[in-house]
Amino acid sequence: GAVVSQHPSRVICKSGTSVKIECRSLDFQATTMFWYRQFPKKSLMLMATSNEGSKATYEQGVEKDKFLINHASLTLSTLTVTSAHPEDSSFYICSARLGGRYNEQFFGPGTRLTVL
Amino acid sequence: SQQGEEDPQALSIQEGENATMNCSYKTSINNLQWYRQNSGRGLVHLILIRSNEREKHSGRLRVTLDTSKKSSSLLITASRAADTASYFCATVPTDSWGKLQFGAGTQVVVTP
Repeated sequence: GAVVSQHPSRVICKSGTSVKIECRSLDFQATTMFWYRQFPKKSLMLMATSNEGSKATYEQGVEKDKFLINHASLTLSTLTVTSAHPEDSSFYICSARLGGRYNEQFFGPGTRLTVL
Repeated sequence: SQQGEEDPQALSIQEGENATMNCSYKTSINNLQWYRQNSGRGLVHLILIRSNEREKHSGRLRVTLDTSKKSSSLLITASRAADTASYFCATVPTDSWGKLQFGAGTQVVVTP
């Protein structure tokens, strides 16, 4: 099946710094990628939809200046958490969709961000 | 926003038993998908069932969909310890441009 990778898997940073998370579709081209956030023992919350070559679409309540998304190619999307604070600590998961809007999404393994 | 409501929130069974979990949703959907998540890991896609389908099988998994009741169920037969995970349903509403809306999940523990 289609494989999606994320890097890094874990990151610890100091408050005020920025952190970049990469999401790659390894064996297919993904026109659309999604970024989710998950709190412990909770469900996934969609943060934004990322289309290659265009600006990301953010969900209501998600700060676009804080969570910068770039989808530079059909296999790579990046999420940058700017000026991170402890409340940004979370599990961030990306997914990539192959083909039409009603097709399944393939998820990356997630990135655990801890902000001290 | 979360659309799916899953029931039960947690399920503890013995190996060999069947596990059933339910998902209810509120809006018209194009399809409904079930995912599994092991602790601290990403999601693994299990089954996609379209709105015009009523039942689907994949190995030991059986999914049903009742659009009139806006509900779905996932049955895992002859469960194994390796089935221990959280299971999420996710709907794709017809007006969502393909965005997934996840339920709260069911934590399943299978003891040997």
